[in-house]
Amino acid sequence: DAGITQSPRHKVTETGTPVTLRCHQTENHRYMYWYRQDPGHGLRLIHYSYGVKDTDKGEVSDGYSVSRSKTEDFLLTLESATSSQTSVYFCAISGGPDTQYFGPGTRLTVL
Amino acid sequence: GIQVEQSPPDLILQEGANSTLRCNFSDSVNNLQWFHQNPWGQLINLFYIPSGTKQNGRLSATTVATERYSLLYISSSQTTDSGVYFCAVELYHQGAQKLVFGQGTRLTINP
Repeated sequence: DAGITQSPRHKVTETGTPVTLRCHQTENHRYMYWYRQDPGHGLRLIHYSYGVKDTDKGEVSDGYSVSRSKTEDFLLTLESATSSQTSVYFCAISGGPDTQYFGPGTRLTVL
Repeated sequence: GIQVEQSPPDLILQEGANSTLRCNFSDSVNNLQWFHQNPWGQLINLFYIPSGTKQNGRLSATTVATERYSLLYISSSQTTDSGVYFCAVELYHQGAQKLVFGQGTRLTINP
């Protein structure tokens, strides 16, 4: 199994509070991604990184920011959580063609 | 942007039956992946298949890129095949493999 961990695995928070999710990899892969999964939508890309300090927006980036200060960690921040951000968040990594792996997911509930 | 549609949305079968899942996409793509999401939420890559046919045990996949569709075949279904099956097309940017997912097919295999 690829070495990807996500923390926390579950979180319940209140509307308006900041939340940071962490993705950590031990594979030294260059590319990292954050997706969210909602019923009826499959998974949708939020942000991705193609190197340390190199990030770009995905299709549902509004309300989210990311940071990658070292190869192994990719942080997803909700500056002010809203109920529409209740979702399951997946981190993924890839090191090139045909090498993409997903983490176990973080279930976030915003009350 | 590119659209990815899967059918059927739900499929309920008895153990031992065969099934075919379909994925249509609206534009040419670099690659296509099939995933299985098990009942615990873990996403497992089944195939990278931009074109042609691949087989892995009881599972096989065929992509006809010129007609923009892919099929996943599951033969002699087992209860452990239950879960959600996603197809995802790859779009590249700065070397990153951005995935656009279909909405999934939920497969239930009854004993």
